[in-house]
Amino acid sequence: QVQLQESGPGLVKPSQTLSLTCTVSGASMSSGSYYWTWIRQSAGKGLEWIGHIHVSGTTDYNSSLKSRVTMSVDTSKNQFSLNLSSVTAAETAVYYCARWTPRRSFVIWGQGTLVTVSS
Amino acid sequence: EIVLTQSPGTLSLSPGESVTLSCRASQTISNNYLAWFQQKPGQAPRLLMSIASSRATGIPDRFGGSGSGTDFTLTITRLEPEDFAVYYCQQYGSSPWTFGQGTKVEVK
Repeated sequence: QVQLQESGPGLVKPSQTLSLTCTVSGASMSSGSYYWTWIRQSAGKGLEWIGHIHVSGTTDYNSSLKSRVTMSVDTSKNQFSLNLSSVTAAETAVYYCARWTPRRSFVIWGQGTLVTVSS
Repeated sequence: EIVLTQSPGTLSLSPGESVTLSCRASQTISNNYLAWFQQKPGQAPRLLMSIASSRATGIPDRFGGSGSGTDFTLTITRLEPEDFAVYYCQQYGSSPWTFGQGTKVEVK
């Protein structure tokens, strides 16, 4: 079955860039009309959709983060990535990657990775 | 941005009881694109329901969803021990997709 796994640094300094990768296993990212998504969860703000990317390169980002977010996809590695610049301590959260299926929403999630923003 | 308000914040119930959770949207959700998720400590959310009332694969029929427009409910009949968790609604009818703040169903 399809599985997603987040990876990246667990500690990022304030004002630096948070970079995470999600590796997809069990199926090719290029098959199907899915949106590959990043979501975060913090105690203060609950669950927050960061944005998504399609294998065509089409993206949609949360307007509250748009100026600082970049997502990319590497179908040769079956991975997609998140870069979030100029982070603050308030962005300490568990970051999830997920696969969004048309009409069905987030059917498959990664296990999540805790990213702490601290000096 | 569509704001989703869930109520109540916490419910204290016993196994075997039934429960109805509410999710109210600040504006009409297109196509009733409203999902429900269950989350247990240390785990990712798990999809229960899509398009307001369509159960996800493997979800038992004691879970039911209803509603349209701005008012939606998730009903769990005869709570099982594994149903005690936090439940979130989420809309995907218009960007940005948003989540409710959650309802915790705890053991009384």
